[in-house]
Amino acid sequence: QQPVQSPQAVILREGEDAVINCSSSKALYSVHWYRQKHGEAPVFLMILLKGGEQKGHEKISASFNEKKQQSSLYLTASQLSYSGTYFCGTDTGTASKLTFGTGTRLQVTL
Amino acid sequence: SAVISQKPSRDICQRGTSLTIQCQVDSQVTMMFWYRQQPGQSLTLIATANQGSEATYESGFVIDKFPISRPNLTFSTLTVSNMSPEDSSIYLCSVSPHAGGYGYTFGSGTRLTVV
Repeated sequence: QQPVQSPQAVILREGEDAVINCSSSKALYSVHWYRQKHGEAPVFLMILLKGGEQKGHEKISASFNEKKQQSSLYLTASQLSYSGTYFCGTDTGTASKLTFGTGTRLQVTL
Repeated sequence: SAVISQKPSRDICQRGTSLTIQCQVDSQVTMMFWYRQQPGQSLTLIATANQGSEATYESGFVIDKFPISRPNLTFSTLTVSNMSPEDSSIYLCSVSPHAGGYGYTFGSGTRLTVV
């Protein structure tokens, strides 16, 4: 079952902050976050592993609540380049495959 | 991270025909994945391509429709067979990270239009 993301879409002014949430119905081993710009492939941002380890982008932070099977991506002081669609990808630890969330479309304006 | 060359980048095909999409990786990888992304939608996993064995398909996808080859650790193909307009979509291959690596890497995608 596909993880559900919220909000579906958000518009920000440059410099504002945003939080994107990802909720899964399954127990998770890790959560990935990706950004996809129109017409391009998804690009890896961050991975959060069960147990608290995080690896990824310097200017983006995220949290992972293992008990609630939820993750949140925090975008601070947004820049125009942050615009795109954000997907969480969840890994239940079986076969290393990712199931992608419903997506959140983010637009940053001047 | 791995670099993936995917081709063709786009194609327009007649219904009833087949198209083979290729992905070449610049290093050996254990697992390769094939995804479909319909316009404005999320990515849906079609199958996992395993070297030396048959691909593992997700629910709703079958080998007769989406045959996959994985002849070695750097290459895989996905064929979309007997196409209909409903197969119009973007198809992406992806590889898992190397040991100690981070996220998955994606090919640039194949935009398929079936007319």
